[in-house]
Amino acid sequence: GQNIDQPTEMTATEGAIVQINCTYQTSGFNGLFWYQQHAGEAPTFLSYNVLDGLEEKGRFSSFLSRSKGYSYLLLKELQMKDSASYLCAVKDDYKLSFGAGTTVTVRA
Amino acid sequence: DVKVTQSSRYLVKRTGEKVFLECVQDMDHENMFWYRQDPGLGLRLIYFSYDVKMKEKGDIPEGYSVSREKKERFSLILESASTNQTSMYLCASSLGPNTEAFFGQGTRLTVV
Repeated sequence: GQNIDQPTEMTATEGAIVQINCTYQTSGFNGLFWYQQHAGEAPTFLSYNVLDGLEEKGRFSSFLSRSKGYSYLLLKELQMKDSASYLCAVKDDYKLSFGAGTTVTVRA
Repeated sequence: DVKVTQSSRYLVKRTGEKVFLECVQDMDHENMFWYRQDPGLGLRLIYFSYDVKMKEKGDIPEGYSVSREKKERFSLILESASTNQTSMYLCASSLGPNTEAFFGQGTRLTVV
């Protein structure tokens, strides 16, 4: 089965950095995805890691350690529009399973 | 542009009714998924399909069935709707096992 854990909520100030951790225990592994979901909208893809290490995409970076079953999403230079839920998802063969999501609130 | 379309944004059905939720993608994707999303529980996988006429149970398949007769269409069926199936239902598709999934806008189903 799948067990994917991430914190429920995080709050940070505009311009700051926030790190959202995700730990997983899955029967197989074909990659880890991060999605962003604004309230009332569909999730949108942010990043994909299949090998260990850091992937950087503008203000967002994602890290993976397969041996530790651990990933994080780093959001830099936070903006108000970054207030959203961030979803960690693990691919096991064809099955894509999600954690419960982390709600990030950015304060002015 | 990538497009996953769900037939309804909002739906109200009565307990015991048979409910069909339709999802169509125009990207020739192999994989399609149905999730429900509830506060505090996140997205939970109901069923997925990796090819036409193929289907696999996800984590919470009870009370649901699916149909994939054509590659572009993946239908979720509630055989006899119950109030605990009131939820947001999200359909997604992906090209292959290692590519990102694209989501539809969701169907908010209320069973009364």
